[in-house]
Amino acid sequence: GAVVSQHPSWVICKSGTSVKIECRSLDFQATTMFWYRQFPKQSLMLMATSNEGSKATYEQGVEKDKFLINHASLTLSTLTVTSAHPEDSSFYICSASWASGGYNEQFFGPGTRLTVL
Amino acid sequence: AQSVAQPEDQVNVAEGNPLTVKCTYSVSGNPYLFWYVQYPNRGLQFLLKYITGDNLVKGSYGFEAEFNKSQTSFHLKKPSALVSDSALYFCAVRAHGSSNTGKLIFGQGTTLQVKP
Repeated sequence: GAVVSQHPSWVICKSGTSVKIECRSLDFQATTMFWYRQFPKQSLMLMATSNEGSKATYEQGVEKDKFLINHASLTLSTLTVTSAHPEDSSFYICSASWASGGYNEQFFGPGTRLTVL
Repeated sequence: AQSVAQPEDQVNVAEGNPLTVKCTYSVSGNPYLFWYVQYPNRGLQFLLKYITGDNLVKGSYGFEAEFNKSQTSFHLKKPSALVSDSALYFCAVRAHGSSNTGKLIFGQGTTLQVKP
């Protein structure tokens, strides 16, 4: 149980285009989803937290107009990188959680490798 | 401020030997602590967690971790390392506060290299 999928697993796009990444909880309803960015051999940087049906909460320094997050249902959240540039190339990981025993355990997706040419 | 520190960028150990990956934390209130493992180009896999109860927590793949409140540590251990354990390991603590909704704070990661 507690499986999270991401699609696509990798994407290559041209500079200036927009890219959408999907995160799905396959066997549970995720009250909260998180989006992280990871550079090579570095830790995960939390970009935003989203709750189903409400606006995402972005971390300081993350451009909300650049990284659009939609959490339309309890099993799906999407991250859209708008007008992507080479510096947006990174590994994007989502996680999903539900309240369990008073704490929120996160389950991670396999990640999406974005390369912007 | 709440934080997690993994003081070693890399840990090298011979196959069959015991391994320890260190983690210390700073958090207000009782900590919820986690260990995750990441293989190249993959997401994070959950290993184990400490919420409350016994200080020695057993997890997946033979890993265990010991919660030490006085030393604010949560070191990951395994009695006998395997080459397949070679990966990047992250310690994390759940942030406290009503606005955090379960947000995790991650350490910087430790690369474990197990040599045959």
